[in-house]
Amino acid sequence: DSGVTQTPKHLITATGQRVTLRCSPRSGDLSVYWYQQSLDQGLQFLIQYYNGEERAKGNILERFSAQQFPDLHSELNLSSLELGDSALYFCASSSSRAVSEAFFGQGTRLTVV
Amino acid sequence: KNEVEQSPQNLTAQEGEFITINCSYSVGISALHWLQQHPGGGIVSLFMLSSGKKKHGRLIATINIQEKHSSLHITASHPRDSAVYICAVRLYNNNDMRFGAGTRLTVKP
Repeated sequence: DSGVTQTPKHLITATGQRVTLRCSPRSGDLSVYWYQQSLDQGLQFLIQYYNGEERAKGNILERFSAQQFPDLHSELNLSSLELGDSALYFCASSSSRAVSEAFFGQGTRLTVV
Repeated sequence: KNEVEQSPQNLTAQEGEFITINCSYSVGISALHWLQQHPGGGIVSLFMLSSGKKKHGRLIATINIQEKHSSLHITASHPRDSAVYICAVRLYNNNDMRFGAGTRLTVKP
């Protein structure tokens, strides 16, 4: 158990809809990272937050947004969903703002139908 | 050409064999990570390297910054090592990350 909790584990939704994925980092970790893993694109880094502020941005679509709350949990919002958004979404947390080892959650499997 | 290339794509070994997985990258990095993804999908971070060599149990990771190359070695491989191993680099200038396509390792008893 990494200590990182993601909910829900599975999500099935229709195209055009909006969903919210939630991540609770390890106790004391200030950094949260979001990743997408799809069959055709592999793993991709989406975004990093550190202590409530956006720290780094990767290949995140404009239809996607994220935030980190004062209690350090994070949410990834995906809107106007398309079939191609079907993927595993991972959250990871680490203790520092800079490069450090990250601990991964079990992922949320999103299926858009 | 991908910024992070791993080889081999697939690897089958007999229990007890010494395993090497290679990762080459073409960008400036601040760190390199080796990740393990189990058949159930869960990801575990094995190593984070910025120079030299690290060892954890039967796993050894090395990085050569000048040659932009890293290797992951598994000694005395075991069927429970069967997983996908992913190399990831953190870009030097903006903390963005790039991932290799992964190496699928199967260790047979």
